[in-house]
Amino acid sequence: DAGITQSPRHKVTETGTPVTLRCHQTENHRYMYWYRQDPGHGLRLIHYSYGVKDTDKGEVSDGYSVSRSKTEDFLLTLESATSSQTSVYFCAISEVISYEQYFGPGTRLTVT
Amino acid sequence: AQSVAQPEDQVNVAEGNPLTVKCTYSVSGNPYLFWYVQYPNRGLQFLLKYITGDNLVKGSYGFEAEFNKSQTSFHLKKPSALVSDSALYFCAVRGTTDSWGKLQFGAGTQVVVTP
Repeated sequence: DAGITQSPRHKVTETGTPVTLRCHQTENHRYMYWYRQDPGHGLRLIHYSYGVKDTDKGEVSDGYSVSRSKTEDFLLTLESATSSQTSVYFCAISEVISYEQYFGPGTRLTVT
Repeated sequence: AQSVAQPEDQVNVAEGNPLTVKCTYSVSGNPYLFWYVQYPNRGLQFLLKYITGDNLVKGSYGFEAEFNKSQTSFHLKKPSALVSDSALYFCAVRGTTDSWGKLQFGAGTQVVVTP
């Protein structure tokens, strides 16, 4: 998993609580991404970052926010978790826009 | 808008037989195409990519893929499947007129290789 760690790896939380997922890379890649994986949908982009403090929305960004204060860390926050946000969340990195992305091991989030 | 279709939810193949996983795409401009594999409870692993050049691309673990521009396809192939190839396979695409590196993923194809 190419120098990418995600924490926590598993989390169960209650509806309405805030949740923060962390992605940490040791590759010094400029671009970082957050995806969610749901059966039948493949991976869908939530937010992405093209540099420190430079972020933008993906296709399923509602209910999520991100921050990137250092090159190596990209945080995903669910401001008030809902059951529809139960999913597996993957972080990815890439060195160049057009090159392949490398994925972390994932975080399985359950919202009860 | 970009889109990717993987028409088969599951592909079943006997060990030693050829394996093909289908992918068709729609993008603006020229496509950048990728295949990833996901083993249970793991992240996605990059297999191969097509950016430009030879239409037949070779990748990891003996996999290859053929880019066909007229049919807008990028099918993944392996001449002789192994039981260990059983996994979930994703095709992804981005177009060159896209101003950012956003990948569009297909829904995935589960490959089951039986001994």
